[in-house]
Amino acid sequence: NAGVTQTPKFQVLKTGQSMTLQCAQDMNHNSMYWYRQDPGMGLRLIYYSASEGTTDKGEVPNGYNVSRLNKREFSLRLESAAPSQTSVYFCASNDWTANTEAFFGQGTRLTVV
Amino acid sequence: GENVEQHPSTLSVQEGDSAVIKCTYSDSASNYFPWYKQELGKRPQLIIDIRSNVGEKKDQRIAVTLNKTAKHFSLHITETQPEDSAVYFCAASKVGSGTYKYIFGTGTRLKVLA
Repeated sequence: NAGVTQTPKFQVLKTGQSMTLQCAQDMNHNSMYWYRQDPGMGLRLIYYSASEGTTDKGEVPNGYNVSRLNKREFSLRLESAAPSQTSVYFCASNDWTANTEAFFGQGTRLTVV
Repeated sequence: GENVEQHPSTLSVQEGDSAVIKCTYSDSASNYFPWYKQELGKRPQLIIDIRSNVGEKKDQRIAVTLNKTAKHFSLHITETQPEDSAVYFCAASKVGSGTYKYIFGTGTRLKVLA
C-alpha cells in the first residue's frame, strides 16, 4: 500500500516549457487535490477533483490544467511554465464518505528558470 | 472567498513549555478543522482534527479547541519536545455540503529549543 505517489520528485524547467506532474493513489479515494506550497503562503489549492469525472478550480488555478484520468490518477499540467510557478507541489486524496483525513504525496520540487 | 488566518508565523519555545497556535476562519458553514504537521522536507500529516459539534479534543500532549461563535480554533501542545519542531498547518472545510476541499492557513514554524 503505497498511499499517494507523485512523479517526478524534482524538476527544472526553462520558462515557456511544458510538463505534467503525475499523481496516483491506491486507497480507492474519491477526491483528489493539487496544492502548491510557497514560503509564508502555506498550502494553496490549485485544482481539485471531488470524484472521478469532475474537476474544479481552487484558489490559484491560473496557468494550470488538470485531468482526472481515472479514479486513481490526477495529473497537473503546466502549459507554459513561468518563474512564478517555482514551488513545491503536493497531491492529496481522501474519501469524504469514509474518512475526512487527507493523505499527501511526497511532493514535487519544481524550479522554473 | 473562504479564508483561514493562522498566527503566529513562527514560534520558539523552551523544551517542556507549552505552545499555542491560533486560526480564524471566515466561512461560518465550515464544520471540520484538521491540523497537519510537516517536518522538514516531508509531506504534511494529520495530527488531530475536530468537528463543529465538539468544543475540545485531546490526544496525549496535543489538544484542539474550537469556538464556533468567534470562528476561532487553536492547537495546544504541552510538554514540548525537540521532535515537535515542524511547521503546523490548520485547515477548514465543509463536510457534507458537497464542497470537497480544504482551505489551509499559512503555517506556523515551531522551534522547540533544548
